[in-house]
Amino acid sequence: AQSVTQPDIHITVSEGASLELRCNYSYGATPYLFWYVQSPGQGLQLLLKYFSGDTLVQGIKGFEAEFKRSQSSFNLRKPSVHWSDAAEYFCAVTSLDSNYQLIWGAGTKLIIKP
Amino acid sequence: NAGVTQTPKFRILKIGQSMTLQCTQDMNHNYMYWYRQDPGMGLKLIYYSVGAGITDKGEVPNGYNVSRSTTEDFPLRLELAAPSQTSVYFCASSLGRVDTGELFFGEGSRLTVL
Repeated sequence: AQSVTQPDIHITVSEGASLELRCNYSYGATPYLFWYVQSPGQGLQLLLKYFSGDTLVQGIKGFEAEFKRSQSSFNLRKPSVHWSDAAEYFCAVTSLDSNYQLIWGAGTKLIIKP
Repeated sequence: NAGVTQTPKFRILKIGQSMTLQCTQDMNHNYMYWYRQDPGMGLKLIYYSVGAGITDKGEVPNGYNVSRSTTEDFPLRLELAAPSQTSVYFCASSLGRVDTGELFFGEGSRLTVL
């Protein structure tokens, strides 16, 4: 069965430090990959997506993610976090395997230390 | 720019009661979705619709019903509420299939069944 794993439930990072959030997936078909962010009390917003082409994709708010097929990973990165980045981050994957429905990871909560 | 609007934002139900969560979007999107979000879990798809008059079950449809009489509206009906339906519910919409773009989310409806 298709699955998405975000190994870290919580991550704490100092303001100004770099960030990497991990996402691994298990899929047979070519996946389409997404990162969404959920600020407290809000709905989810798309940060970036990978469909094909360049494996390093740029998103909003200074985020980027790299698709590594050999590692079945799509990690999210940011060189310098801001206090406003505190939120929960969700990785999601879709493909023919899931009838093009999104399969979601459990989320990683990002905590920013001042 | 209303986007996706859900009501109510909060609701407490007694076991066995019924209610409808309302969802409307003003973006003329064809696809609409209902998800539930439980702590420590990714979003789970309850029902989705690819257009007016067409609905289909997602991963966790038991205990819920939907209808799509117009492009704009996609209400979710809970019949005979149970404590297991305590969750945060999100409505979302997209112009096309998820592998062609992004989902736009409402702010969520927090439901507690006691």
